[in-house]
Amino acid sequence: KNEVEQSPQNLTAQEGEFITINCSYSVGISALHWLQQHPGGGIVSLFMLSSGKKKHGRLIATINIQEKHSSLHITASHPRDSAVYICAVFAGGTSYGKLTFGQGTILTVHP
Amino acid sequence: EPEVTQTPSHQVTQMGQEVILRCVPISNHLYFYWYRQILGQKVEFLVSFYNNEISEKSEIFDDQFSVERPDGSNFTLKIRSTKLEDSAMYFCASRPPLGAYGYTFGSGTRLTVV
Repeated sequence: KNEVEQSPQNLTAQEGEFITINCSYSVGISALHWLQQHPGGGIVSLFMLSSGKKKHGRLIATINIQEKHSSLHITASHPRDSAVYICAVFAGGTSYGKLTFGQGTILTVHP
Repeated sequence: EPEVTQTPSHQVTQMGQEVILRCVPISNHLYFYWYRQILGQKVEFLVSFYNNEISEKSEIFDDQFSVERPDGSNFTLKIRSTKLEDSAMYFCASRPPLGAYGYTFGSGTRLTVV
């Protein structure tokens, strides 16, 4: 069973700050998703990573498969980035593609 | 951009009643999923569905739950006799045949059992 842990659980920042959210998992995976959940509850996929690094606008995601660790960075944070950020791992293989989720990081960015 | 559509967005039901949550996955996707999130907790896997049958289910997915793809477009989750602890946000998701790319979530149905 894969355990997915995120840190920190809560993060408060001032507008413009650089943000890092970490995710560790216990069992080898084939891919990792970073997801965003707004107060209304809907989930939006930000990135899917299987190796290296991806960048989309102010968001950067990295993964180290050997160390079973991924990070999500937000550069020049803005109040509209306030949301819950969730990592979820995809085991592949015979798992039929179910995702195992971390508990989420609540990010609040103040103006 | 293609979307996974869920209806209704919010449903209130009395304990013991049956509810059906509906999802329309992306048309060329072949794997379908239901997840749930109890308020303040992690998102949890319920069931995956492929080739018109359940491919995997969690221990949460007991006999009161069932899934169906009745007409090739809709994907439904039925809860036969709702309990207070079934109150949660239920998410449908789908993905194409290969790998994890294109994994797409619906906007969720908030189920409240009173």
